[in-house]
Amino acid sequence: EAQVTQNPRYLITVTGKKLTVTCSQNMNHEYMSWYRQDPGLGLRQIYYSMNVEVTDKGDVPEGYKVSRKEKRNFPLILESPSPNQTSLYFCASRWDRGANVLTFGAGSRLTVL
Amino acid sequence: DAKTTQPPSMDCAEGRAANLPCNHSTISGNEYVYWYRQIHSQGPQYIIHGLKNNETNEMASLIITEDRKSSTLILPHATLRDTAVYYCIVESTGANSKLTFGKGITLSVRP
Repeated sequence: EAQVTQNPRYLITVTGKKLTVTCSQNMNHEYMSWYRQDPGLGLRQIYYSMNVEVTDKGDVPEGYKVSRKEKRNFPLILESPSPNQTSLYFCASRWDRGANVLTFGAGSRLTVL
Repeated sequence: DAKTTQPPSMDCAEGRAANLPCNHSTISGNEYVYWYRQIHSQGPQYIIHGLKNNETNEMASLIITEDRKSSTLILPHATLRDTAVYYCIVESTGANSKLTFGKGITLSVRP
């Protein structure tokens, strides 16, 4: 089944403890992206990647890092999480050309205490 | 600046057609209209997209006005499972384009 898989789905952590949210897709998509969703603010793009070793900032990149060493994986790294990064995170992927038909993961709910 | 305007909410009866409006008066010639929906806190799901012609797939129909300044997503026979937030997005295609999700319209399907 074609899908985007995120892990963990739920995580409670403490301020300053580094964490990584993994994202993997099995559709051979070139483009991958991370969004965060907060009440009243909709989905906001954090980072995106056009292909392996090509990443760029989205609208709210502060406090996050990403890497794209393999086509299928696009992990989101929080080096020193803070409470304002408590949010629902979504990873998505699509072909780099043609229509913007994104396939989203199921989401990762992160709480930073 | 938002490219689209949607009412915040609407409801319809189960089994009836749900017509979700979207205004995009500043749409450019190379921009498509996309519709996604999000059920509860699940990942958004692609529904349909179009440029200027009306489109239909197994989920819905998309009607775009001739001047392309507005569109309507039609769910022909709404079910309770169609209760969700529906996002209308205007964006060009291409490698660098990205989808900007606004607040969407909350559709409530009542029994």
